[in-house]
Amino acid sequence: AQRVTQPEKLLSVFKGAPVELKCNYSYSGSPELFWYVQYSRQRLQLLLRHISRESIKGFTADLNKGETSFHLKKPFAQEEDSAMYYCALNEAHNAGNNRKLIWGLGTSLAVNP
Amino acid sequence: NAGVTQTPKFRILKIGQSMTLQCAQDMNHNYMYWYRQDPGMGLKLIYYSVGAGITDKGEVPNGYNVSRSTTEDFPLRLELAAPSQTSVYFCASSTGTGFEQYFGPGTRLTVT
Repeated sequence: AQRVTQPEKLLSVFKGAPVELKCNYSYSGSPELFWYVQYSRQRLQLLLRHISRESIKGFTADLNKGETSFHLKKPFAQEEDSAMYYCALNEAHNAGNNRKLIWGLGTSLAVNP
Repeated sequence: NAGVTQTPKFRILKIGQSMTLQCAQDMNHNYMYWYRQDPGMGLKLIYYSVGAGITDKGEVPNGYNVSRSTTEDFPLRLELAAPSQTSVYFCASSTGTGFEQYFGPGTRLTVT
């Protein structure tokens, strides 16, 4: 079954330290993976997607099919990065285009001064 | 553009009461979704719609109903509220599968 695992509920780092939020997935096909972020008192929003291979707010994520991972990384964390981060997998249904996102449980990142 | 809007922001219901959570988007998106977010449990899909007149169940549809009479609106109906439905409800929309989902601000519902 398709599944997204974020093993850390809470990750706490100091400002300027590197940060890595882990995401592992279970999927039989070719995955489409996303990272969404929810800052305090703001709505959930897309941070980045693996197909665009871009860096947003200093964050990058590389799809590793061998390890079935899509970890989110930033070399130097900032206090404004404190938020809830969700990894999501685009599921392919058997029937047409009725694909849905499978969500991880989220990791709360706290960047301390 | 207002994006995705949800009303109300907060609501307290008594057990057995019913209510409708409103969701509207002005981006002409075909796909719309309803999620619930419980503490420590991530997002669970309740229902989704791929276009006006077409809806389908997600992971946790029991106790809820939806309709999609227009592209813009996707209301979620709770018929007999139960304490287990205490949660934060998010509506989202997208242009299609695999595309970015745009979320509303959420409705915090408490059933007592």
